[in-house]
Amino acid sequence: GQQVMQIPQYQHVQEGEDFTTYCNSSTTLSNIQWYKQRPGGHPVFLIQLVKSGEVKKQKRLTFQFGEAKKNSSLHITATQTTDVGTYFCAGAGNQGGKLIFGQGTELSVKP
Amino acid sequence: KAGVTQTPRYLIKTRGQQVTLSCSPISGHRSVSWYQQTPGQGLQFLFEYFSETQRNKGNFPGRFSGRQFSNSRSEMNVSTLELGDSALYLCASSFRDRGDGYTFGSGTRLTVV
Repeated sequence: GQQVMQIPQYQHVQEGEDFTTYCNSSTTLSNIQWYKQRPGGHPVFLIQLVKSGEVKKQKRLTFQFGEAKKNSSLHITATQTTDVGTYFCAGAGNQGGKLIFGQGTELSVKP
Repeated sequence: KAGVTQTPRYLIKTRGQQVTLSCSPISGHRSVSWYQQTPGQGLQFLFEYFSETQRNKGNFPGRFSGRQFSNSRSEMNVSTLELGDSALYLCASSFRDRGDGYTFGSGTRLTVV
């Protein structure tokens, strides 16, 4: 069945450093979504990418969807302590298909 | 606007018992999905309901079941509880067809002893 793999599992950075998490699917995705879960909280929707090669930015966050629609990445420039949390990618194999989450990347930021 | 409401927030049950969890989606959202979150397994998809019909199902045993009512509220039931069922159960609602992304509730923390 469809699998979504995410690396790395953990990332520890110094405040001000950049951070990137990568997501790979075993099958072509119709879309990919990204979520952030703060410690003790629940996942919060960040963005959805639909088009092959799509790039979207939200302030210091840059999201990319691969040309083959099988991989994606989230890049944070100049991390801040408020960026702490676990970042999940989630993909659906087809429109209306089940949304499968990656294992998440836990980001910690040292001030 | 009100968010996704899950009740109860915490639950302690004994092995062999059954449990019912409730989820009230955001008004207007017709799709409700359930996920099990554990430290080792991440977010595992249980099932998705849309307009009272189960649209997608994950790879969980038949002890896990759910339903959706005409007002889009959803319940999930776990029978014959096992220790391994201890987890955070998250419900998420969405318009689904518009691809707006999911809005998650705060979850129900289930502990099986």
